[in-house]
Amino acid sequence: GQQVQQSPASLVLQEGENAELQCNFSTSLNSMQWFYQRPGGSLVSLFYNPSGTKHSGRLTSTTVIKERRSSLHISSSQTTDSGTYLCALGMSNYNVLYFGSGTKLTVEP
Amino acid sequence: ETAVFQTPNYHVTQVGNEVSFNCKQTLGHDTMYWYKQDSKKLLKIMFSYNNKQLIVNETVPRRFSPQSSDKAHLNLRIKSVEPEDSAVYLCATLKDTQYFGPGTRLLVL
Repeated sequence: GQQVQQSPASLVLQEGENAELQCNFSTSLNSMQWFYQRPGGSLVSLFYNPSGTKHSGRLTSTTVIKERRSSLHISSSQTTDSGTYLCALGMSNYNVLYFGSGTKLTVEP
Repeated sequence: ETAVFQTPNYHVTQVGNEVSFNCKQTLGHDTMYWYKQDSKKLLKIMFSYNNKQLIVNETVPRRFSPQSSDKAHLNLRIKSVEPEDSAVYLCATLKDTQYFGPGTRLLVL
């Protein structure tokens, strides 16, 4: 079965609203990363967060290993936040990434 | 700043042809990867190389063969492409986090 599950699959917000994206995993991990991908664009790493909480501007990532979950919180969303958010589990000595299916976020003005 | 370069950006070909994609990284990392992103946007690992040695080979058809001349280059050759090979192929390299190239979009007619 799939080792990494993301929810929701899609989310539509009005500008200014907050978003909470979830990532649940069924196995142990070396690392956890969150990525952002624009339509037709390359992947941009948002967080490398194997455990604990990290902040970057309006973004916050929290990984709780015991509960096998990680979340990405976006505060005061903007239209430019629209895109797909992917979480990925790093496993093996060479940190091969196993991706969730993504959350497609649309922020409307 | 772009540090993982992929060529070509886009390639259209006929079923049965051979294609080659190139990837170069300027970060000096030892480990490089090829991922495939299908039409449903699901990203999956294909291969991983560490210092020119193949270390990960997920269940990938034999018509796919990675090639590494040095640790900065990891190319991907597909012999006799099939329609299901249409996808975006993403090259990545690793330090703590993974850095991705812009991808090569393949369309098999």
